[in-house]
Amino acid sequence: DVKVTQSSRYLVKRTGEKVFLECVQDMDHENMFWYRQDPGLGLRLIYFSYDVKMKEKGDIPEGYSVSREKKERFSLILESASTNQTSMYLCASSQILGLADYNEQFFGPGTRLTVL
Amino acid sequence: QKEVEQNSGPLSVPEGAIASLNCTYSDRGSQSFFWYRQYSGKSPELIMSIYSNGDKEDGRFTAQLNKASQYVSLLIRDSQPSDSATYLCAVDNAGNMLTFGGGTRLMVKP
Repeated sequence: DVKVTQSSRYLVKRTGEKVFLECVQDMDHENMFWYRQDPGLGLRLIYFSYDVKMKEKGDIPEGYSVSREKKERFSLILESASTNQTSMYLCASSQILGLADYNEQFFGPGTRLTVL
Repeated sequence: QKEVEQNSGPLSVPEGAIASLNCTYSDRGSQSFFWYRQYSGKSPELIMSIYSNGDKEDGRFTAQLNKASQYVSLLIRDSQPSDSATYLCAVDNAGNMLTFGGGTRLMVKP
């Protein structure tokens, strides 16, 4: 079974703090994704990475950066946390299309971040 | 802008009934379609994938795909209170990415 883990289930930070959210997958997947999920807005893609040191902006990258130094690990960084970044953050991974029939994405348990 | 549309619900069904969840998508080039179940406060869990037109069955779940009409549906037979959750439809989008619908909240009443 694919296992995606995230560093924290709940996190409380103060405005202006630098925040690191970490995601690790154990299935040797090439693709990794960071989403945020808010009531009424659904899942929104922040960044994704298709290889080590590679990253692509998603729909809402402003205020975020990412790092992928190892294949299994994808970090989301909030450079200066703001209250409007209070949200559920979800990491996902998938096999690269072509190596798999479907580009199924598997999610980690999520991190509920509150910025005060 | 590629879109995936779902009725937000709630869809309320009695225990033991069939729940029918629907999803339409805008990109005719989409090839892969997914249903995720998300319990309140939890992350989405993949329950069904479908690639070809027609039906795909897995236990109490049946996914139906009609590419000509650009819709995909999920049927849940013998619905149980434990099926109460939000169901997300996802459609492949430019290769390795997915576009998610807003989800339909299902309530199964004992």
